[in-house]
Amino acid sequence: GNSVTQMEGPVTLSEEAFLTINCTYTATGYPSLFWYVQYPGEGLQLLLKATKADDKGSNKGFEATYRKETTSFHLEKGSVQVSDSAVYFCALITDSWGKLQFGAGTQVVVTP
Amino acid sequence: EAGVTQFPSHSVIEKGQTVTLRCDPISGHDNLYWYRRVMGKEIKFLLHFVKESKQDESGMPNNRFLAERTGGTYSTLKVQPAELEDSGVYFCASSQDRSGASYGYTFGSGTRLTVV
Repeated sequence: GNSVTQMEGPVTLSEEAFLTINCTYTATGYPSLFWYVQYPGEGLQLLLKATKADDKGSNKGFEATYRKETTSFHLEKGSVQVSDSAVYFCALITDSWGKLQFGAGTQVVVTP
Repeated sequence: EAGVTQFPSHSVIEKGQTVTLRCDPISGHDNLYWYRRVMGKEIKFLLHFVKESKQDESGMPNNRFLAERTGGTYSTLKVQPAELEDSGVYFCASSQDRSGASYGYTFGSGTRLTVV
């Protein structure tokens, strides 16, 4: 079956540090890949997405590239801010009805 | 436009009691999904409505869970009787198109259910 594996947290880093959250997946077919973010007290928000191999999704300084050969979709940001503290979820869709398959989430804590 | 609204935001009930969660999707969104996150683990799919019909309920854990979407507007998720392992955060999402890949989903803030 399909699955998403992402690095465990919490990840604690200082402001302006470089952030990488690893995400790998197993899936039949060609999934669409997503990163969702949940800020404290809020719902899940779509951060970025990629729908085919080699696509790069980007938003708010975050980037992730769909790597089919390594079945990965790692999230990166060059210089994090305190406001980036949140839980980040990697996810995929394989079926035509849009059922999301999530990873376990990675909590990121950015300190001043 | 108003987002997806869920309530209550937090519910604490005793084992064996009944709880009903409600989700109001964005107006005009035919697709409504329920997910839950248990004990800090991955968020898991529960079910998917298209209008008032259940398109996929393969993620419903057992028959103690009942979801409805009368009239194709808001949805309720009832847990009866609640067990300790039902504790978690229940998310609702809605989308305009069925795949979600084009326009994405809008999620609610979730209902944190604690069964004691």
